Amino acid sequence: DGGITQSPKYLFRKEGQNVTLSCEQNLNHDAMYWYRQDPGQGLRLIYYSQIVNDFQKGDIAEGYSVSREKKESFPLTVTSAQKNPTAFYLCASSIGQGGETQYFGPGTRLLVL
Amino acid sequence: DAKTTQPPSMDCAEGRAANLPCNHSTISGNEYVYWYRQIHSQGPQYIIHGLKNNETNEMASLIITEDRKSSTLILPHATLRDTAVYYCIVRRLRAGSYQLTFGKGTKLSVIP
Repeated sequence: DGGITQSPKYLFRKEGQNVTLSCEQNLNHDAMYWYRQDPGQGLRLIYYSQIVNDFQKGDIAEGYSVSREKKESFPLTVTSAQKNPTAFYLCASSIGQGGETQYFGPGTRLLVL
Repeated sequence: DAKTTQPPSMDCAEGRAANLPCNHSTISGNEYVYWYRQIHSQGPQYIIHGLKNNETNEMASLIITEDRKSSTLILPHATLRDTAVYYCIVRRLRAGSYQLTFGKGTKLSVIP
């Protein structure tokens, strides 16, 4: 099956801890994206990567970090500097940077205890 | 930025056509209109997109006005599984990359 996987579905974090969310795709897509969604709101772009070893900040990058060492993987780290990390996190990918359709994973819900 | 305006909620009877409107009066000539939907606690699902002409696929039809300032997503025979939040998005070019900006969307409730 081709697609985007995110794990885990639910993640709990203690205050002051860093946590890493996984995103993997086997669609051979060049571009990958991370979004955050708060209750009743739309999605906001955190980071995006158009190609391996390159990534750009989105609208709300503060308190987050990413890496893109492999084409199929784009992990997101929520650092202790993120003051309100509780949210639904969504990963997406698209064929390239030419504006193709983005396809989304199932999401990870992060809860801070 | 080409922003979009959608009604916050709509109801539709099961089996009837659902017509979801979207205003995007500041859209530029080369900007596409995209539609996604999100069922509760799932990732958004791509539905359809278009530039100028009307588009149809197995899920829906997209009608774009001639002046491109508004569009309508049509689900021809709504089912209970179509209950979701529908997002109308104008894809924008920013820093060399195309990006999607999601608003709050329209919550469609399909009524039995």
